[in-house]
Amino acid sequence: GAGVSQSPSNKVTEKGKDVELRCDPISGHTALYWYRQRLGQGLEFLIYFQGNSAPDKSGLPSDRFSAERTGESVSTLTIQRTQQEDSAVYLCASSSSHLISYEQYFGPGTRLTVT
Amino acid sequence: KNEVEQSPQNLTAQEGEFITINCSYSVGISALHWLQQHPGGGIVSLFMLSSGKKKHGRLIATINIQEKHSSLHITASHPRDSAVYICAVPLYGGSQGNLIFGKGTKLSVKP
Repeated sequence: GAGVSQSPSNKVTEKGKDVELRCDPISGHTALYWYRQRLGQGLEFLIYFQGNSAPDKSGLPSDRFSAERTGESVSTLTIQRTQQEDSAVYLCASSSSHLISYEQYFGPGTRLTVT
Repeated sequence: KNEVEQSPQNLTAQEGEFITINCSYSVGISALHWLQQHPGGGIVSLFMLSSGKKKHGRLIATINIQEKHSSLHITASHPRDSAVYICAVPLYGGSQGNLIFGKGTKLSVKP
């Protein structure tokens, strides 16, 4: 079946502009995660959605970052007034909440470059 | 919160060698992930394991829950195994929720 998809695959934007990144999780997966990886650095958690529960936003680096998820489907990560330090690969992952399977499936990522 | 340490940070091997990458964490968990990141940046989940050992082709992952330690082994390594291998565990322990990642082990297998 289809895996996690993300769009766009690459995004170049000017400093100060807003950007929206999209994630389509695997159908039926109730959990959705956003991570980012800045150049030369490890992966870091941003935000986690689980079903209808309030999202865990503890990883968002500033109030310029926000994310929404409609039900158990698409999620959008929005970065307002982008800064050069926001340049990174933004990865989305989803997982089933089935008792025996919490394996996270990763999307291909969106490479964001802020000039 | 969990903390993750991986070793070694970099590893160069000759084709055919047996590879071991280690991962230690600080807070009890019941699921640990091994991920592979290719030079292009894409990430693939290799294993999620909660006890004992799992094998997939030439890859073997083991975990010791009591010792909070896991290893990833590659038998008969090949240049196409060259990638960054990342260990990840639930940030707050347990088996689910957002992950905290090790810094990764960059493996280079020479022909």
